[in-house]
Amino acid sequence: NAGVTQTPKFQVLKTGQSMTLQCAQDMNHEYMSWYRQDPGMGLRLIHYSVGAGITDQGEVPNGYNVSRSTTEDFPLRLLSAAPSQTSVYFCASSPSTGGYSEAFFGQGTRLTVV
Amino acid sequence: DAKTTQPNSMESNEEEPVHLPCNHSTISGTDYIHWYRQLPSQGPEYVIHGLTSNVNNRMASLAIAEDRKSSTLILHRATLRDAAVYYCILKVTGNQFYFGTGTSLTVIP
Repeated sequence: NAGVTQTPKFQVLKTGQSMTLQCAQDMNHEYMSWYRQDPGMGLRLIHYSVGAGITDQGEVPNGYNVSRSTTEDFPLRLLSAAPSQTSVYFCASSPSTGGYSEAFFGQGTRLTVV
Repeated sequence: DAKTTQPNSMESNEEEPVHLPCNHSTISGTDYIHWYRQLPSQGPEYVIHGLTSNVNNRMASLAIAEDRKSSTLILHRATLRDAAVYYCILKVTGNQFYFGTGTSLTVIP
């Protein structure tokens, strides 16, 4: 099983550029989410989706957009990159939003904004 | 969101048991206790979860206090591959995973 696949693994952007981080899962999970992790810190939730066509904001949504047109894919768009968005980004999926439901994480995308 | 408190770091000798503590004094009756770990340069990985009773799986054991205000993740024989940051997270149905800074475990050969 591929699980959760994130592309690209590494990216360097100039300030003001836009880009899309891709996330795909092959487990037919309803719930997907995006996190960012800054050095020495835990993960912070950016956006999440409980199913196709449904998205919502997490703790740190500013500067990011998401959409969920299929169950499998949940792309994260940076509208106008800023140095403060330099971070490692993780995508995750879960079978449900139940408290008992475990999350599966991708390997991350390391983004540097210069 | 209910918070958890973990030590910043711990050390263990290889092949010895490790007890990683977590305090969650504001836990509610519907909060599940989850543990994840993050190996260097990797995404978090599920370890174990429980609600009220102690739980065992192939990776670890989870001991939950009777009042549920604390829990302990037990690695029965630490290996070098267990060196990671371990996160204790409370999750309730419909809510998301909120990560703290976790405990960085160092395993000494």
